[in-house]
Amino acid sequence: GQNIDQPTEMTATEGAIVQINCTYQTSGFNGLFWYQQHAGEAPTFLSYNVLDGLEEKGRFSSFLSRSKGYSYLLLKELQMKDSASYLCAVSPLVAGNTPLVFGKGTRLSVIA
Amino acid sequence: GAVVSQHPSWVICKSGTSVKIECRSLDFQATTMFWYRQFPKQSLMLMATSNEGSKATYEQGVEKDKFLINHASLTLSTLTVTSAHPEDSSFYICSARPGDGYTFGSGTRLTVV
Repeated sequence: GQNIDQPTEMTATEGAIVQINCTYQTSGFNGLFWYQQHAGEAPTFLSYNVLDGLEEKGRFSSFLSRSKGYSYLLLKELQMKDSASYLCAVSPLVAGNTPLVFGKGTRLSVIA
Repeated sequence: GAVVSQHPSWVICKSGTSVKIECRSLDFQATTMFWYRQFPKQSLMLMATSNEGSKATYEQGVEKDKFLINHASLTLSTLTVTSAHPEDSSFYICSARPGDGYTFGSGTRLTVV
């Protein structure tokens, strides 16, 4: 089976740093994605990790440990507009007809 | 980049009627399209996978006779919600995989009254 776990909700202060964790157990692994989603909108791609290590992109960084089945998304210098749901998703196989498997999402609230 | 155009963005329909949602790949050929449903404050749940020229594959618990999927060409996949009921009100979104990444449509907010 496929199982992806992430916290349901988090709250952080404007200007701070927040780390959203994700653990996964999937039948295969061909990469882990992080998406940002505002209510009523499509997910927006944030990052992709297929090898172990840290990927940095501006205020956002994502880390992957394949041996531990673990990833995190790090958001720095939080802004109010970062209040959204953050979705961790795994691509189980290389084949093109394989859908992403999503975690339940983490709703992040950024407060002043 | 690869774009999937989804229409309509929102629709309100009466209970018992049918609604068709279209997803078009604009600059690539999508042999496969994934259809997701998302209820408020929940994540995306895969409903079905459509394949060009063949029958769709439905996830467990999704009624294939209620959610009709057609993938007649390499650039168009449609989802028809038949005999819609208020419990079908949800956010429906399609996704394709043009390469290693995935691209999403903009989503359709369906409200059944």
